[in-house]
Amino acid sequence: DVKVTQSSRYLVKRTGEKVFLECVQDMDHENMFWYRQDPGLGLRLIYFSYDVKMKEKGDIPEGYSVSREKKERFSLILESASTNQTSMYLCASSQGQGARSNQPQHFGDGTRLSIL
Amino acid sequence: AQRVTQPEKLLSVFKGAPVELKCNYSYSGSPELFWYVQYSRQRLQLLLRHISRESIKGFTADLNKGETSFHLKKPFAQEEDSAMYYCAVTTSYGKLTFGQGTILTVHP
Repeated sequence: DVKVTQSSRYLVKRTGEKVFLECVQDMDHENMFWYRQDPGLGLRLIYFSYDVKMKEKGDIPEGYSVSREKKERFSLILESASTNQTSMYLCASSQGQGARSNQPQHFGDGTRLSIL
Repeated sequence: AQRVTQPEKLLSVFKGAPVELKCNYSYSGSPELFWYVQYSRQRLQLLLRHISRESIKGFTADLNKGETSFHLKKPFAQEEDSAMYYCAVTTSYGKLTFGQGTILTVHP
């Protein structure tokens, strides 16, 4: 069974801090994704990666960056945290077939991040 | 651009009643559609995908390309079906565009 592990379930940080959210998957998936989940807005894609060192912007990349140095690990970075980045963050992975990928995504438990 | 709309934020039914969660999409290519479910204090997980045409936990969903809909149905709702349900369409590189979600509550 696919396991996607996010390093923290809850995190509290201060405005202006640099914040790192870590995600690891154990199924050798090519594709990895970061979403934020907000009530009434569903899940919105922040960034995704289809290979090591490859990254692409999603729908709401502003204020975020990502890093994928190893296939199994995908990190989300908040360069200078702001209160409007308080949210639930979900990491996911899926098998990759390049641009034609259509395999289901497997999600982590999520990190509830509060920015004070 | 692709878009997924779930018109109901909240849906309440009684146990044993039929339930239908609506989903409409707009996508220019050949869509691959999914329903994901999130039970209380659990991770988001795949419920079903249209290409497999399976029935999972009694739920079915039919892709209607004419109406661009992918409604989720179950003839007899159970209390354990209470959850948040998301409809999603996949685009390139397996990216998902999600609807806003519907919270289903099944009353005893």
